[in-house]
Amino acid sequence: AQSVTQPDIHITVSEGASLELRCNYSYGATPYLFWYVQSPGQGLQLLLKYFSGDTLVQGIKGFEAEFKRSQSSFNLRKPSVHWSDAAEYFCAVAQKTSYDKVIFGPGTSLSVIP
Amino acid sequence: NAGVTQTPKFRVLKTGQSMTLLCAQDMNHEYMYWYRQDPGMGLRLIHYSVGEGTTAKGEVPDGYNVSTLKKQNFLLGLESAAPSQTSVYFCASSYSNRDVYKWVETQYFGPGTRLLVL
Repeated sequence: AQSVTQPDIHITVSEGASLELRCNYSYGATPYLFWYVQSPGQGLQLLLKYFSGDTLVQGIKGFEAEFKRSQSSFNLRKPSVHWSDAAEYFCAVAQKTSYDKVIFGPGTSLSVIP
Repeated sequence: NAGVTQTPKFRVLKTGQSMTLLCAQDMNHEYMYWYRQDPGMGLRLIHYSVGEGTTAKGEVPDGYNVSTLKKQNFLLGLESAAPSQTSVYFCASSYSNRDVYKWVETQYFGPGTRLLVL
């Protein structure tokens, strides 16, 4: 069965520091991969989606994610975190043939220290 | 351009009552979705629609029905509400486009509907 794990329940970083949020998935074939962010002020937003091809995906708000097939990972990165990035981040996976199997991870809560 | 709107924002139901949640988008997006989010968890897809009249089940469709009204409106119905359906419901719409040599997807979410079933 497909699954998504986000090993870090909570991460704290200092403003201006780099960020990496981890996501691992279990799936039989290369799926679509997503990162979402949820914050009280901004609601839910799709940060980026991996379709195929180039393994480095650029998203909104300065985020990027790298798909590593050999590690079944899709980690989210940002070179310099802003206080407004404090939020809950969700990784998700969906099969390419049908969207109905989209599965979300449990989320990672990000706190940013000024 | 209002984006994605949801009606109502909050509702309390008694077990067995029925209700319809309305989602509307004014961006002419082809795909629309209904998710639920329970405390401490990510989203779970209930149903989604593709254009007008085509819908499909997601991960947790039981107890819900959906319908579309033109491409812009996606309705989620609870025929007989149960306490297990207490949740926050989010609607979303999306489109994909090709940016030079790669595909990019943009998805917009509504503000959510808090539903409490007693």
